[in-house]
Amino acid sequence: DARVTQTPRHKVTEMGQEVTMRCQPILGHNTVFWYRQTMMQGLELLAYFRNRAPLDDSGMPKDRFSAEMPDATLATLKIQPSEPRDSAVYFCASGLHRGTLFGPGTRLLVL
Amino acid sequence: GESVGLHLPTLSVQEGDNSIINCAYSNSASDYFIWYKQESGKGPQFIIDIRSNMDKRQGQRVTVLLNKTVKHLSLQIAATQPGDSAVYFCAETNDYKLSFGAGTTVTVRA
Repeated sequence: DARVTQTPRHKVTEMGQEVTMRCQPILGHNTVFWYRQTMMQGLELLAYFRNRAPLDDSGMPKDRFSAEMPDATLATLKIQPSEPRDSAVYFCASGLHRGTLFGPGTRLLVL
Repeated sequence: GESVGLHLPTLSVQEGDNSIINCAYSNSASDYFIWYKQESGKGPQFIIDIRSNMDKRQGQRVTVLLNKTVKHLSLQIAATQPGDSAVYFCAETNDYKLSFGAGTTVTVRA
């Protein structure tokens, strides 16, 4: 089965540090998403790309978050500087037409 | 505004019984409605979707019903099994962007 992979799976860092999360979407999927999940807010869309071009990043705090797709096999989400309120599970997902498939997530804890 | 929500945050069901999970939505312009299952420590897993011009779709042990008149979506699971214990999310999609509801936690009693 084709799968979305994410690294790292877990990250503990201190406030102010840079965090980089990586995602390998499913080969051939032209749409890639970043979602964040917290108990309070549920699943929120942060940003998404189509054919590597950013289409919508309105869900991201622009001053500290950035999302890129350097190539078709890699999507990155960076937080600089990180804050305790960024603690959450970050999911990457990819899709082609319908049927968005999610990765296992990166569980981030910012102390 | 847009919102997708579930009627009940928790559902307890006896193994072997049928489960019904409900969801209300407000955005009539959505093109698809989707159910996802999320097990502990994992990402959401696609279960089934339904196009907005349909009212029923069946999969393996699952059926999704869409009532556009009252903006209601439901997921029926037949013969619920212990492996069905999870959080279930309804979502609506426009241009593949998913807007998720709050989730219903389903617990299957042996």
